[in-house]
Amino acid sequence: AQTVTQSQPEMSVQEAETVTLSCTYDTSENNYYLFWYKQPPSRQMILVIRQEAYKQQNATENRFSVNFQKAAKSFSLKISDSQLGDTAMYFCAFMKRINMNRDDKIIFGKGTRLHILP
Amino acid sequence: EAGVAQSPRYKIIEKRQSVAFWCNPISGHATLYWYQQILGQGPKLLIQFQNNGVVDDSQLPKDRFSAERLKGVDSTLKIQPAKLEDSAVYLCASSLVGANTGELFFGEGSRLTVL
Repeated sequence: AQTVTQSQPEMSVQEAETVTLSCTYDTSENNYYLFWYKQPPSRQMILVIRQEAYKQQNATENRFSVNFQKAAKSFSLKISDSQLGDTAMYFCAFMKRINMNRDDKIIFGKGTRLHILP
Repeated sequence: EAGVAQSPRYKIIEKRQSVAFWCNPISGHATLYWYQQILGQGPKLLIQFQNNGVVDDSQLPKDRFSAERLKGVDSTLKIQPAKLEDSAVYLCASSLVGANTGELFFGEGSRLTVL
């Protein structure tokens, strides 16, 4: 069974700083996706960034980037030039890749609560 | 494009009572998920539908929880009888099968408090 571990329950950084959230996972699968989802206070969860395991290049989305280390089963999220709106719970998640006709379940870590301080 | 709709947003009941949550996914999304998110924890999958068939309900407490997805669109999650430990946010999410991207679109959730 797959597991996702986030070792940082809570973090705080000053606005405009860079912050890195850690995530490790355990799987015997070779084809899978990894995700970071953001859950702002009292708002719905949204996808921040996605990484396909077969791609060596780290995914980037504007100020968000990941450091994907497949052999180490590590998947960290870096937020550059942090903004007040980045304050949220961040969940690392894993999904085994099945086929084009069916999506597998997504397994979430326990989350990291990130506070961006003015 | 309308997002995932859930209702009610909040519900307070006493233990042993019953409650039902409703979800309307994004139009065209074949896969629908119900997740339970207990305070301070990550979402835990309760049940996954593809169209109107169940794909995974291995973590659904079937003695008290039930779910259905009528005509492969709307879905209802029911708890009967409720226990104190069922206090949580129930998240509905949907995804577009075939896109093979794994992106889930979440509703705002239904917060349940069991007294």
